[in-house]
Amino acid sequence: EAGVTQFPSHSVIEKGQTVTLRCDPISGHDNLYWYRRVMGKEIKFLLHFVKESKQDESGMPNNRFLAERTGGTYSTLKVQPAELEDSGVYFCASSQAGGARYHYGYTFGSGTRLTVV
Amino acid sequence: AQSVTQLDSQVPVFEEAPVELRCNYSSSVSVYLFWYVQYPNQGLQLLLKYLSGSTLVKGINGFEAEFNKSQTSFHLRKPSVHISDTAEYFCAVSLNQGGKLIFGQGTELSVKP
Repeated sequence: EAGVTQFPSHSVIEKGQTVTLRCDPISGHDNLYWYRRVMGKEIKFLLHFVKESKQDESGMPNNRFLAERTGGTYSTLKVQPAELEDSGVYFCASSQAGGARYHYGYTFGSGTRLTVV
Repeated sequence: AQSVTQLDSQVPVFEEAPVELRCNYSSSVSVYLFWYVQYPNQGLQLLLKYLSGSTLVKGINGFEAEFNKSQTSFHLRKPSVHISDTAEYFCAVSLNQGGKLIFGQGTELSVKP
């Protein structure tokens, strides 16, 4: 099966511009997550979709970040306007919905490296 | 709140030597535990996970980890490392099935010939 796909793999934009990152999860995975790693720091959770609904968006840093998941399939993460501190690697992950007694784990994409200059 | 601490940011080791990457977590409730690996220029790959049952968990590429509830640890071990094991390793926890992962800071394993 195809894995989690993210694009672009790299993006360099100027401060104040807009960037949209895309994530295609594994087909059939209801759960989709966005994470971010700023250089030198740990990987931090941004938000979690279950199908098309936002289950948990407690990690979104501010209202310059907008995530959507159209029809419960692919997801986009838009940063508008981008600031220097938004630079980092943005990871997407997906997982199956499971019962209370089983944890299927998460499959990660290769990430998008965003550089804001 | 839950947290994960990886005690070593960098671990240099010679090829064929054993290695242990340390991970401690803090949580007032039961958690699921994971180790992920990121090879250069690649995404995160699951090495192993602990959900319940036997505290010794075996993963891919000869790695294993032991869950120690009393010490709230989940250290990763490999008896003999290869050059190809050079990568960054992440310990993570989640509270429930489908919940978010909380990561440690990562440990860079550097295997030298």
